[in-house]
This record gives sequence, C-alpha cells and structure tokens, in this order.
Amino acid sequence: KAGVTQTPRYLIKTRGQQVTLSCSPISGHRSVSWYQQTPGQGLQFLFEYFSETQRNKGNFPGRFSGRQFSNSRSEMNVSTLELGDSALYLCASQHGTATGELFFGEGSRLTVL
Amino acid sequence: ILNVEQSPQSLHVQEGDSTNFTCSFPSSNFYALHWYRWETAKSPEALFVMTLNGDEKKKGRISATLNTKEGYSYLYIKGSQPEDSATYLCAFDSGYALNFGKGTSLLVTP
Repeated sequence: KAGVTQTPRYLIKTRGQQVTLSCSPISGHRSVSWYQQTPGQGLQFLFEYFSETQRNKGNFPGRFSGRQFSNSRSEMNVSTLELGDSALYLCASQHGTATGELFFGEGSRLTVL
Repeated sequence: ILNVEQSPQSLHVQEGDSTNFTCSFPSSNFYALHWYRWETAKSPEALFVMTLNGDEKKKGRISATLNTKEGYSYLYIKGSQPEDSATYLCAFDSGYALNFGKGTSLLVTP
C-alpha cells in the first residue's frame, strides 16, 4: 500500500511569490491535514479537509489556503510569501471521521529568500 | 492554542539504558493523546493513540501510560538501541485538531 506522497519535496521561492504544495493520501483515506514546522517549534496545525470540505482550521493568516479534490488529493497554497514561511510542510492522512493515528508524508521543504 | 509540553528537550543515553519522557497537556477537552516517532529524513510514524485515563500501551520495548486527570503521559523505552534515536512527539487531540509538543530528541550511542 503506497504511503502519503508529497510534492515537491524541496522548493525555493522569493518573497511575494506564491506556492502550491500537493499531497496524495493513502488510498481509501478521506481526511487530509496539513502542518507547518519551523525551527524550534512543534508541528503547527494548518487545516484539515474531509470529503472536499475544510473541517478544521488552525490559527494561520488567510494567505494560507487549501483544498481537497474528489479523489482526496489535497493542495495547499501560500500567497505573498514571507521569509517566515520558510518551513517544512507536512501532510497527513487519516482513514475516516473518528480521530485516529495520522499517516504522514515526508514533507515539502520550502525556503523563501 | 493549547499548551503541550514535553521534557526533556533532548536526551543522550548509552545503548542498553532505559529511559522515559514526559508529555503534559491540558486536562480539559481531552479526546486522545498521540505519540509519534520521527527519525531524521523520514516521516513521523505513530506509536500509540491513547484515549482512556489509566491506559497503558506497549509496542516491543516501548510503552506509554496516560493520566488524563492530571494531564500527563509517559513514554518508556526499555534497553535503548541506536535505532531508537529519533525525536518523539506527543500530540493532544481535542477532537478538533492535534496540538503537538516540540518533541524530545533521543540519541542512543553504542
């Protein structure tokens, strides 16, 4: 069974640009959540999607957005990039509606110059 | 933002030593407590998800306990091996989102 796949794995952008990250969950998983990790911080919850609907949202500015497609694949977008957006962005999938263990991808490492 | 604290921040033990880490979390709005192991250059992997006060879970040499009334969980590793070197994350699950601690970084040297 294929794991959670995130693309791209690494990318470099400049301030003011926008970026789109992609996440393909484990087959059959309908929930996808996104997390940001910056140096010295724990994983910060961005948002969660279930059946194409944003179910929960963390405390991030509106520049951070996401969506989920009918095949459960998810994308997150960050507009007007700032230096502080440099981070590892992790996606995790989960089987259903009840809270259970998360299955993480390897992450997309974004560097903003 | 819910405060999830993990201690110690880092730990260096010798192969064969047993060790334990602490995760403290709010005692209200508790739904579950997760433990993950995150090895360098890999993705975090779930160790345990615990929901009941007094829960004890075990996987090989690793075990965990949960006290929801006082808001803490312990993770124990018996007879540490170099392959146990990783960052161990706990996450408080309110049923809304997971709030992660900053992790305990464990280094086991031969």
